[in-house]
Amino acid sequence: AQTVTQSQPEMSVQEAETVTLSCTYDTSESNYYLFWYKQPPSRQMILVIRQEAYKQQNATENRFSVNFQKAAKSFSLKISDSQLGDTAMYFCAFMSIQGAQKLVFGQGTRLTINP
Amino acid sequence: DAMVIQNPRYQVTQFGKPVTLSCSQTLNHNVMYWYQQKSSQAPKLLFHYYDKDFNNEADTPDNFQSRRPNTSFCFLDIRSPGLGDAAMYLCATSRGDSHEQFFGPGTRLTVL
Repeated sequence: AQTVTQSQPEMSVQEAETVTLSCTYDTSESNYYLFWYKQPPSRQMILVIRQEAYKQQNATENRFSVNFQKAAKSFSLKISDSQLGDTAMYFCAFMSIQGAQKLVFGQGTRLTINP
Repeated sequence: DAMVIQNPRYQVTQFGKPVTLSCSQTLNHNVMYWYQQKSSQAPKLLFHYYDKDFNNEADTPDNFQSRRPNTSFCFLDIRSPGLGDAAMYLCATSRGDSHEQFFGPGTRLTVL
């Protein structure tokens, strides 16, 4: 079974700083999807960014980018020029391309952006 | 706007009293999921529907059931809630040919 590990339960940075959230995963599959989801306080979970394992190029979405290291099974999220609205719980998630489209989530990192 | 809607947002029930949570979607997605998220924990998949096909996770307690009367609606029934079932319940949808899931705002269940 796949597992996802986020080793940073909480992080806190100042507004405009860059922050990196760590995620490692374990799988025996060669092709799969990885995601970062954001869950703001009392609001719904939204997709931040996703990476397809067969693509070597790291995904980017505006201020959000990932560092995907397939051999190391590492998938970190970098947030540049952090904003107060980035304060949220961030979940790393794995999805196999085989069978049902089920997300396996990490434990989450609570990120606080301070003014 | 197309969206995933969950009602109610907050539900209080008594120990052992059956409760039903509802989810509806205007995205016309054929896959619907129910997740349980306990405080400060990751969401955990309970089951999902692929069209009308029900798929239960192996470790989902029998106490949890689901119904999907049509494409737009999906219900989570908890037959005899225990104190340990207090959690946020998240509904999500996806298109069968896409790997992105869209989440509703969740229903926070309190069991007294």
